[in-house]
Amino acid sequence: EVQLVESGGDLVQPGGSLRLSCVVSGFTFRSYWMTWVRQAPGKGLEWVANIRQDGSEKYYVDSVKGRFTISRDNAKNSLYLQMDSLRAEDTAVYYCGGGPGGAWGQGTLVIVSS
Amino acid sequence: QAVVTQEPSLTVSPGGTVTLTCGSSTGAVTSDRYPHWFQQKPGQAPKTLISDTSNKYSWTPARFSGSLLGGKAALTLSGAQPEDEAEYYCMLLYSGPWVFGGGTRLTVL
Repeated sequence: EVQLVESGGDLVQPGGSLRLSCVVSGFTFRSYWMTWVRQAPGKGLEWVANIRQDGSEKYYVDSVKGRFTISRDNAKNSLYLQMDSLRAEDTAVYYCGGGPGGAWGQGTLVIVSS
Repeated sequence: QAVVTQEPSLTVSPGGTVTLTCGSSTGAVTSDRYPHWFQQKPGQAPKTLISDTSNKYSWTPARFSGSLLGGKAALTLSGAQPEDEAEYYCMLLYSGPWVFGGGTRLTVL
């Protein structure tokens, strides 16, 4: 069974940092592009970043460039999102996704507020 | 970055047929944009229904189909069921980055 489990969401002050993790099971992680998307409260889905199988290509939505870094550890079947210089507008549920069935995790909530 | 457009809301009668569309600010949507369609119900994570224009997954009900129609990507629901009431998002690839549409709220009524 394909499973993606996100963690690391929290309440953080503006300007702070968080590192989200996504542990994957049920498929060959190293064979797939992986993606982070987010959903602000009451809003639609927003693609945030994705990363090639070997980590050699990474893409970001303009609003997070220079602040967020996507990475992966294929030995640990894990995807990460390092989020720095957080802003109120980054408040959202963050989902990781990828794999053979376009699977998604259940999400982790990030709240940026003072 | 490009803007992807969807109908904000649509209504379909039970058993009826409805087509949701997905357009791009950069021009016609082609298979090179690898259109994806997602279904999301309140309080739940998104679920991928369609990938690469028309590829279904084992959990995709047969009544859903994807295509290209009039320069847009399209998701057609034939024989709508009450459980199909949800938000539907399309997503297009732009040479690395993906962009979501704003979503279509589908009501089955």
